[in-house]
Amino acid sequence: DGGITQSPKYLFRKEGQNVTLSCEQNLNHDAMYWYRQDPGQGLRLIYYSQIVNDFQKGDIAEGYSVSREKKESFPLTVTSAQKNPTAFYLCASSRWDKVRSMNTEAFFGQGTRLTVV
Amino acid sequence: AQTVTQSQPEMSVQEAETVTLSCTYDTSESDYYLFWYKQPPSRQMILVIRQEAYKQQNATENRFSVNFQKAAKSFSLKISDSQLGDAAMYFCAYRINNAGNMLTFGGGTRLMVKP
Repeated sequence: DGGITQSPKYLFRKEGQNVTLSCEQNLNHDAMYWYRQDPGQGLRLIYYSQIVNDFQKGDIAEGYSVSREKKESFPLTVTSAQKNPTAFYLCASSRWDKVRSMNTEAFFGQGTRLTVV
Repeated sequence: AQTVTQSQPEMSVQEAETVTLSCTYDTSESDYYLFWYKQPPSRQMILVIRQEAYKQQNATENRFSVNFQKAAKSFSLKISDSQLGDAAMYFCAYRINNAGNMLTFGGGTRLMVKP
């Protein structure tokens, strides 16, 4: 079945350590996104990538890094520079509509809950 | 700054009745999409309905419909014949149709359905 897979579902790390969250999609989507969700709040964009080897900062990119070496994969690294990394992280992707010259609606993975202790 | 505002942190509805969730947004762009996403306890975001700004007709998906008022920058979601499975967080979002194509989300409304 096609979809977006985030792993792991739960992740625990010690303060000061970098950690990488995985996001893989087999939908052949062009664009991929990382969002952060804090309790009782909406989603805030961390990074997005429209094509391979290209990505743009979102609203809260500080303390995070990404790579897009393959169309299917968009891993997110939470670095020690991120002051409050404990949160729920959602990855999403969308297809580029050539006729409309725009991305279609975003499809989301099931998320990764990161807890830093 | 472009923002999305959901003024109702929580809403409650009796099973089988109708409820409307409010959303307003602020943008200077004219070409954009509007979305409602549902986030159940599993926390996966599920697309409920979408509306293209250039279309005047309100979108409908089964029991879900929207009231899109472009001049007022309002995009409310109506859920008819509410079911227990509708209980979730609902997020309003919009996306400007340019190269960025990023979604901007509101803060969410928690919907409770009473049996």
